[in-house]
Amino acid sequence: EAGVTQFPSHSVIEKGQTVTLRCDPISGHDNLYWYRRVMGKEIKFLLHFVKESKQDESGMPNNRFLAERTGGTYSTLKVQPAELEDSGVYFCASSPLGSYNYGYTFGSGTRLTVV
Amino acid sequence: AQSVTQLGSHVSVSEGALVLLRCNYSSSVPPYLFWYVQYPNQGLQLLLKYTSAATLVKGINGFEAEFKKSETSFHLTKPSAHMSDAAEYFCAVRGILTGGGNKLTFGTGTQLKVEL
Repeated sequence: EAGVTQFPSHSVIEKGQTVTLRCDPISGHDNLYWYRRVMGKEIKFLLHFVKESKQDESGMPNNRFLAERTGGTYSTLKVQPAELEDSGVYFCASSPLGSYNYGYTFGSGTRLTVV
Repeated sequence: AQSVTQLGSHVSVSEGALVLLRCNYSSSVPPYLFWYVQYPNQGLQLLLKYTSAATLVKGINGFEAEFKKSETSFHLTKPSAHMSDAAEYFCAVRGILTGGGNKLTFGTGTQLKVEL
């Protein structure tokens, strides 16, 4: 089965610009998660979708970040306007409903650099 | 609240030597614990998980971890390191999200270097 796909793999943008990251979960996985790792720090939870509904966005840093999941399939994470501190690796993960005893399947991440 | 502490951001071992990566956790609920590995230019891959069954958990690539409640630890070991084990390793503890999903709280990661 295809894994979790994220693109772009790398993005370099200037401060103030907008960037949109995309995640395609494993087909049939209703849970979709976004995480971020800022350089040198731990990987931190951003938000959780069940199908198209946001269930928990307690980890979103501020209102410059907007996540959507159209039709319960792929998800996008938009940063507008980007700031220097937004640089890091953004991971997406997915899992089936009810799989609470199991780990997620992660994508390879998008490395975002804001200059 | 859940938290994880990984001791040692960098660990270096010789090929064939024992690998020991340390993880201590704090959890307000019975913990579910995970080890993930990230190879260069790849995503996070699940190595193994503890979900309240056997305390000694075996994972992929010869890794295993032992859950010790009295020590609040979940250290990762491998008897004999291989060059291909060079990667970054993350310990994580599960929390419950309001929507019923899992929220993983990660440690800061340990970079494993394997030398000839």
